[in-house]
Amino acid sequence: AQSVTQLDSQVPVFEEAPVELRCNYSSSVSVYLFWYVQYPNQGLQLLLKYLSGSTLVESINGFEAEFNKSQTSFHLRKPSVHISDTAEYFCAVTLSTGGFKTIFGAGTRLFVKA
Amino acid sequence: GAGVSQSPSNKVTEKGKDVELRCDPISGHTALYWYRQRLGQGLEFLIYFQGNSAPDKSGLPSDRFSAERTGESVSTLTIQRTQQEDSAVYLCASSLEGGGPGGELFFGEGSRLTVL
Repeated sequence: AQSVTQLDSQVPVFEEAPVELRCNYSSSVSVYLFWYVQYPNQGLQLLLKYLSGSTLVESINGFEAEFNKSQTSFHLRKPSVHISDTAEYFCAVTLSTGGFKTIFGAGTRLFVKA
Repeated sequence: GAGVSQSPSNKVTEKGKDVELRCDPISGHTALYWYRQRLGQGLEFLIYFQGNSAPDKSGLPSDRFSAERTGESVSTLTIQRTQQEDSAVYLCASSLEGGGPGGELFFGEGSRLTVL
């Protein structure tokens, strides 16, 4: 069965510092990978996704994630965070076969301090 | 509508009562998901509808939970004989072709259920 592990439940960081939010998955078939973000008092929205092709994907607000098949990881990174990046980040995995069910990790709460 | 619509946005009920939560997906989206998000926790998969295929009910926590979907439209999640541990935000999401190529999930605002 597929599963998603986000190793850090909370990540406090100072403004303008770099950050990495970790995500590992397990699956017996190839997968599609997503990061969703939930800002305070808002619904979940897609941040970025990996479907195929280049293993490095980027979002419009400076986040990037790299698909590493050998390590079954899809870590999210940003070189310099802003206060407005404070949110909960969820890694998600969809199997490429068998119905496309999407499973989410437990989430990582990023707290950016001034 | 323009987005996924869920109702009610808030529901307070007494232990033992039945509740019905409604989800109106984006028009044309063949896939519909229900997730549960307990306070401070991640999204727990409940059930997944994809077109006319049999739903994937593998995430439903007990037989008190059930869900229906008529064609590719509205879905209803029903919780019978509610318990306090059912208190959570219930999120609905829809997408084109499930989570397959380009299959971004679009989420509703959620229905917050409080069982007293």
